[in-house]
Amino acid sequence: GAGVSQSPSNKVTEKGKDVELRCDPISGHTALYWYRQRLGQGLEFLIYFQGNSAPDKSGLPSDRFSAERTGESVSTLTIQRTQQEDSAVYLCASRPTGTYEQYFGPGTRLTVT
Amino acid sequence: AQSVTQLDSQVPVFEEAPVELRCNYSSSVSVYLFWYVQYPNQGLQLLLKYLSGSTLVKGINGFEAEFNKSQTSFHLRKPSVHISDTAEYFCAVRPILTGGGNKLTFGTGTQLKVEL
Repeated sequence: GAGVSQSPSNKVTEKGKDVELRCDPISGHTALYWYRQRLGQGLEFLIYFQGNSAPDKSGLPSDRFSAERTGESVSTLTIQRTQQEDSAVYLCASRPTGTYEQYFGPGTRLTVT
Repeated sequence: AQSVTQLDSQVPVFEEAPVELRCNYSSSVSVYLFWYVQYPNQGLQLLLKYLSGSTLVKGINGFEAEFNKSQTSFHLRKPSVHISDTAEYFCAVRPILTGGGNKLTFGTGTQLKVEL
């Protein structure tokens, strides 16, 4: 079946612009995660959605970052007024209820110039 | 809070040689442990996991890892590597807590480069 997909695969934007990244999870997966992977660093947790519960936003680095998810479908991560330090690969993962394995998408490489 | 240390950022190895990728973690609570592999331009894929039971776990592609609680380590091994094993490998942990959301804490990754 189809895996987690993300779009765009690459995004180059100018400092100060807003960007929106999209994640399509595997159908039926109730949990969805966003991570950030900066060059030479491990994955950094950003936000977690579980069904209709309030999202866990504890990893968002600033109020310029926000994310939404409607039900158990698509999620969008929005970064406002982008800064050069936002340059990274943004990874989305989904997980079915009752399991431990997160299934990752290929990521969106964001470059802020 | 948890932290994961992968001391080796790069590991070069010849094909058919054995390899060990090191992972150490720090946590005030018990954790589950994972190894993920990331091939070029692809998402992360679960290689293996330790949840409970035998401390030696086997994963896909001939990899195995051993959980050592006293040394807080979860090193990944393969007795004979192949060119196709060239990838980045990430160690990760998550607390054994209900309601923890399964948030993973990752190490910085080890780039395995297999050479002919």
